[in-house]
Parts: sequence; C-alpha cells; structure tokens
Amino acid sequence: KNQVEQSPQSLIILEGKNCTLQCNYTVSPFSNLRWYKQDTGRGPVSLTIMTFSENTKSNGRYTATLDADTKQSSLHITASQLSDSASYICVVSQRRYYGGSQGNLIFGKGTKLSVKP
Amino acid sequence: DGGITQSPKYLFRKEGQNVTLSCEQNLNHDAMYWYRQDPGQGLRLIYYSQIVNDFQKGDIAEGYSVSREKKESFPLTVTSAQKNPTAFYLCASSNEGAWGNQPQHFGDGTRLSIL
Repeated sequence: KNQVEQSPQSLIILEGKNCTLQCNYTVSPFSNLRWYKQDTGRGPVSLTIMTFSENTKSNGRYTATLDADTKQSSLHITASQLSDSASYICVVSQRRYYGGSQGNLIFGKGTKLSVKP
Repeated sequence: DGGITQSPKYLFRKEGQNVTLSCEQNLNHDAMYWYRQDPGQGLRLIYYSQIVNDFQKGDIAEGYSVSREKKESFPLTVTSAQKNPTAFYLCASSNEGAWGNQPQHFGDGTRLSIL
C-alpha cells in the first residue's frame, strides 16, 4: 500500500533551536518528494521538491534530505523562528508504471511544529 | 501578484442545500485541483482538471461536482448528497500534472460548516 508516514506528530521547540522532521514512504514507482509548510488557516506553500537523484536541497534555513534507498526524507530547520510555527507536510509523487504523465500524489498527515519564545 | 484566490473564506450549508466554492487563478496554469483537509488527516483529492472542459474524479468525488469552462476558474459544488461536508477545502494549480517536478500552488482555502 502506498503510504507516507511523518514523525513526530507534533513538536515544541524553543526559538533559536534546530529541529528535524522525518518522513518515511512506501510509494512506488517514485517520482519526487515534496515538503510543504502550512500556516494555520492558510494553504500549503512549497519548500522543496526532490527527485530520485537529489540527496540534499536547501531553501534558506530549511534543508531537506532524501535517501531513496531507505525511502526516508528529513526536513531540518536551523535557528528556528516564531514564524516557523506551522504544519509541515511531506508529499510523495508516484509515477505510473508505463512512464506516462499520469500519476498520483500521496500526502502525509503532517508534523505540527510550535516554536516558543 | 499571481496566485490562487478562493472564496468565500467561510461558508455555512443548510440541510439539503448545494453550495459552490470559487477558485480562480492567474498563474496561467493548465492543471487545477480540489482537495479536502480534515483534522489529523492528509489532503485527499476530490477532483482535478488538466485542461479546459475536461476533469477527472479523485479519491473522494462522491457528493461533489466541478466544471472547467475557463482556464482560470475551477468551481467546486458540494451537493446535498455529501453527508459529511464539514472540512477545509483547498484549491491548487500547477504548470503540469501534479506528479511532475513542478510544485502545486495552493489557495488559502474555504472552511465549510453545517448549520
């Protein structure tokens, strides 16, 4: 079954600290993995998209890693700020076996991060 | 500024009533999508459209209907057949199929509640 599991479900950290969010998936065939940030009451905003051949990708203080062999990804946030408080959603894109443009997106349930002063 | 506009932000539905959620984009994207988000769950795909006048059912299309008469617009109707419509509805668009290497752009959602 195609699944995306995120951990932890929620996390509280102090402002200025680093944190790492995890994403494990069982999606095949794999096309790409995305991380989104969703503020409360808003739509998700794309942070990174990583294809099979990319191990690391950064977007400011956000760094995503991908291990396609173990089917694991992480999102590392450096020097957290109050504005980082949000839900972080991992999404894996599945491409159809015959390589056509049709595919599927499998969404994780998200990790809710709270950054406290 | 280019983006996706969803309206209204809050919507209330009475028993037996159909309601329509608006989604407009000025990103010149061909593909548009509707998702439903419930607490503690991942986003679930309701309908998607890759081109004008064409749309496909997603995983939870029952009780919903859509139209795509214009490239910029993809309204979603929640019909009275949808027995549990209370949720946060998100519209998205992308430059190619969502499963490609281009990100989806999301609107800020419509929260639908039952009166």
